[in-house]
Amino acid sequence: AQTVTQSQPEMSVQEAETVTLSCTYDTSENNYYLFWYKQPPSRQMILVIRQEAYKQQNATENRFSVNFQKAAKSFSLKISDSQLGDTAMYFCAFMIGSGTYKYIFGTGTRLKVLA
Amino acid sequence: DTGVSQDPRHKITKRGQNVTFRCDPISEHNRLYWYRQTLGQGPEFLTYFQNEAQLEKSRLLSDRFSAERPKGSFSTLEIQRTEQGDSAMYLCASSLAWQGKRAQYFGPGTRLLVL
Repeated sequence: AQTVTQSQPEMSVQEAETVTLSCTYDTSENNYYLFWYKQPPSRQMILVIRQEAYKQQNATENRFSVNFQKAAKSFSLKISDSQLGDTAMYFCAFMIGSGTYKYIFGTGTRLKVLA
Repeated sequence: DTGVSQDPRHKITKRGQNVTFRCDPISEHNRLYWYRQTLGQGPEFLTYFQNEAQLEKSRLLSDRFSAERPKGSFSTLEIQRTEQGDSAMYLCASSLAWQGKRAQYFGPGTRLLVL
């Protein structure tokens, strides 16, 4: 069975600073996908960034980047130049590469960006 | 693109009553997913449809839960004989099948409280 662990329940960062959110996962699969989703207060969850396990290059989306360490089963999210609008719950999610389309989510990290 | 909508947004019911939630996916999306999110946890997969076919169900979806997507458009999730443990946020998401394992687009959720 696959599991996703986010060990930081809450974090805070000053506006314009950089913060890294941690995620580890456990799987015996070789083909899978990893995601970070953002859930702002009282708003729907949206995709931040996605990584295919077969790609060695780390994914980047503007101020968001990941550090994907396949051997260590680690998938951290780095947010650069933090903005007040980045305040949200961040969920790390895993999806097997074939057969299913269900996410397995971690328990989330609540990030607060301070002015 | 009006996004995924869910109705109602909030529901309070008494234990033992039946409740039904509705999800309207993004119009051209042929995959539709249901997740449940309890306080302090990440979303947990319940079931998903491709068009009108229910292709996968979680063991979390007990006999009291039933989901339908009769015409491959909107979906309903019914909980019969509700229990206090059913109190949660019920999230719906949708995606395009041809996009494979890319983003799922989430709705705002229906928050259920069982008294």
